[in-house]
Amino acid sequence: DTGVSQDPRHKITKRGQNVTFRCDPISEHNRLYWYRQTLGQGPEFLTYFQNEAQLEKSRLLSDRFSAERPKGSFSTLEIQRTEQGDSAMYLCASSSGTGGEGTEAFFGQGTRLTVV
Amino acid sequence: AQKVTQAQTEISVVEKEDVTLDCVYETRDTTYYLFWYKQPPSGELVFLIRRNSFDEQNEISGRYSWNFQKSTSSFNFTITASQVVDSAVYFCALRSNTGKLIFGQGTTLQVKP
Repeated sequence: DTGVSQDPRHKITKRGQNVTFRCDPISEHNRLYWYRQTLGQGPEFLTYFQNEAQLEKSRLLSDRFSAERPKGSFSTLEIQRTEQGDSAMYLCASSSGTGGEGTEAFFGQGTRLTVV
Repeated sequence: AQKVTQAQTEISVVEKEDVTLDCVYETRDTTYYLFWYKQPPSGELVFLIRRNSFDEQNEISGRYSWNFQKSTSSFNFTITASQVVDSAVYFCALRSNTGKLIFGQGTTLQVKP
């Protein structure tokens, strides 16, 4: 297994367009996380899944954002009607565990979104 | 509320100096995990260490060492004999009992030759 992979690596879109990102976690990991990171800041939690269930969503995740993890494998993060403020690096991570227990999270290389 | 604070925004040292990166956390959970990640210029977050709240033993891995003190809610990271390749942004993170990771703002370390 080559780790967590994200696609695309870079995305430039016009304001108002919809975008979708994909994350493929490490195959045996049951947890999948999405984070957003802007320049000079730490990653901010957006949402996470345990298997196919979305267990927690941040208040940062407006109704323009939606995430899915069908069948508990890969995940998609969609942003509708993009705004310039959505420009950021979107990071995906995966780990194994339940509750507060489990392995460390392994991160993908991220998708850098630029909204023009 | 759960929070991680890395008060040092940027640190600059000369190669071979020792450097300590500070991390202070807040949580009401009795069981939790703390982490350090490195983010080199390439952007990918690289896991360095995990520590659970019941294990206060310091850990050493090569030039890296970590000092976890529950009494002061701190989990500091020391690099001994720093090298240029250590230049990166370092993040401290707390995992809540619901599983999500809460990151600090990061400390940018620049090691000059």
